[in-house]
Amino acid sequence: DAGITQSPRHKVTETGTPVTLRCHQTENHRYMYWYRQDPGHGLRLIHYSYGVKDTDKGEVSDGYSVSRSKTEDFLLTLESATSSQTSVYFCAINSGRATGELFFGEGSRLTVL
Amino acid sequence: GESVGLHLPTLSVQEGDNSIINCAYSNSASDYFIWYKQESGKGPQFIIDIRSNMDKRQGQRVTVLLNKTVKHLSLQIAATQPGDSAVYFCAENSYGQNFVFGPGTRLSVLP
Repeated sequence: DAGITQSPRHKVTETGTPVTLRCHQTENHRYMYWYRQDPGHGLRLIHYSYGVKDTDKGEVSDGYSVSRSKTEDFLLTLESATSSQTSVYFCAINSGRATGELFFGEGSRLTVL
Repeated sequence: GESVGLHLPTLSVQEGDNSIINCAYSNSASDYFIWYKQESGKGPQFIIDIRSNMDKRQGQRVTVLLNKTVKHLSLQIAATQPGDSAVYFCAENSYGQNFVFGPGTRLSVLP
């Protein structure tokens, strides 16, 4: 199994509060991604990173920010959580953007009340 | 576990039968495709991949077929087992682009 750890695995929070999800990898892969998964939708890309301090937006980036200060850690922050951000969030990694499979973490389930 | 998809199409097969799961992709420029399996409460797991210069690729009990003319991908699982019950989805990618994922199909294996 790829060495990807997400934390927390489950979180319940209230509307308007900040939330940070952490993804930690031990594979030294260059690329890291944050996706959200909702019923009726495929995985949708929120943000991705192609190196330390190098990040870019995905298709559903509004309301989210990311940071990558170390190769192994990629943080996803909801500055002010909304109910529409209730979802399951997955981190993924790969060695190159178009050079092979994505390895996924186990997911973080976020509920915003 | 987490609810992966409440409104996914479902395929029900008898244990021991073969399963065929289909995926229509959108980008004619896509040149790399992956099938993932996702069990309840877990992250997606790689099953098999195929590049656009191939029509067919076989793994252990699984075969992926690619029809570029109609932009269609299929996953065949031989002798389906209870442990194959999961959501299956395809992903497509072209050089320099990020992966795009299909919504998935839920496979239910009947005893």
